[in-house]
Amino acid sequence: ELKVEQNPLFLSMQEGKNYTIYCNYSTTSDRLYWYRQDPGKSLESLFVLLSNGAVKQEGRLMASLDTKARLSTLHITAAVHDLSATYFCAAPNFGNEKLTFGTGTRLTIIP
Amino acid sequence: EPEVTQTPSHQVTQMGQEVILRCVPISNHLYFYWYRQILGQKVEFLVSFYNNEISEKSEIFDDQFSVERPDGSNFTLKIRSTKLEDSAMYFCASSDDRAPLHFGNGTRLTVT
Repeated sequence: ELKVEQNPLFLSMQEGKNYTIYCNYSTTSDRLYWYRQDPGKSLESLFVLLSNGAVKQEGRLMASLDTKARLSTLHITAAVHDLSATYFCAAPNFGNEKLTFGTGTRLTIIP
Repeated sequence: EPEVTQTPSHQVTQMGQEVILRCVPISNHLYFYWYRQILGQKVEFLVSFYNNEISEKSEIFDDQFSVERPDGSNFTLKIRSTKLEDSAMYFCASSDDRAPLHFGNGTRLTVT
């Protein structure tokens, strides 16, 4: 069964700093998704990574995928307060659309 | 932008009662899902639905749970006899083939 692990679980960082969230998954998957969740809210799709070596950027966030290492990263550049949220990665089980979510990383940006 | 809508936003029920959570997926989507999130925990898959039938379900989705697409637009999750541990946020999602899942705003279910 596919397992998806994220680290760190909690991340508190100062505005203006850079940091990376890691997402490891246990079995073959050809895609990886990143979602953002604000407290009490729904899950907002951030990135869809569709192939090995895929890199996508949106504002201060950049996501990458290494399917051989079964690793995806979400890099935050020059963090700002409004990036505070919980970030989840999710991978589909190979051959179907069921998503297995990681444990989530609760990011707090301190002014 | 089209979105997935869920009702109600919050449902309080007594243990043993039946609840129905309702969802209207995005109109041209073909795949429908229910996920749940116990407060502060990760998002767990419950069931996927395609072509008017369940395509996959998790261990959580036992005989107390059922899904239905009664009229071509609504997608419902029924819990027949709620337990305290069913208290969670329930998210409906839909997708078009392999596109990312689009999630609704969720229904917070509280079982007392």
